[in-house]
Amino acid sequence: QKEVEQDPGPLSVPEGAIVSLNCTYSNSAFQYFMWYRQYSRKGPELLMYTYSSGNKEDGRFTAQVDKSSKYISLFIRDSQPSDSATYLCAMSAYSSASKIIFGSGTRLSIRP
Amino acid sequence: NAGVTQTPKFRVLKTGQSMTLLCAQDMNHEYMYWYRQDPGMGLRLIHYSVGEGTTAKGEVPDGYNVSRLKKQNFLLGLESAAPSQTSVYFCASSDISNTEAFFGQGTRLTVV
Repeated sequence: QKEVEQDPGPLSVPEGAIVSLNCTYSNSAFQYFMWYRQYSRKGPELLMYTYSSGNKEDGRFTAQVDKSSKYISLFIRDSQPSDSATYLCAMSAYSSASKIIFGSGTRLSIRP
Repeated sequence: NAGVTQTPKFRVLKTGQSMTLLCAQDMNHEYMYWYRQDPGMGLRLIHYSVGEGTTAKGEVPDGYNVSRLKKQNFLLGLESAAPSQTSVYFCASSDISNTEAFFGQGTRLTVV
């Protein structure tokens, strides 16, 4: 079983819709939870990160972490065509020898 | 403000040839990573380093070697390239908090 599981999609929604992206994980040591956005032929860029459980909001984006269920989500409100990209969840544990583990990514397309 | 720079951007190798991919970061980051990205597989960790002179294996280390002789550089070597190593390779770095990884622009490697 992979440490981080993510539905690869593709996911296609109309402009203005609310998008929900999710990941599950198995390692209870993970404490930092990140969402990266990757445009075609580019490297991933950090969108948001959350420490431990709870919600974090940044503009149209909301990240949620439920450590009891080992489940994280990213919500995009009022989705725009410019949000079309691949979204990757990522996680790391708090230790000097930790590494960042990525999900497989969900390809999202916002239809005008 | 260069960030993370990968060299080369593109390369075609014949089976059995060797090559080295260079990653350089100018952010004084402790941690550096090499990932490969294949369709439907997301980012898979090959090797990583938590500091100058240290390296560790990731998920898919076979067929690759790495070295971190200087803090700012992380080299990925392929001793005898195989078609299964055709992929996009990303280097990343992060500071000691390990909450954000900064990525290079990627190296597209084709082994024929």
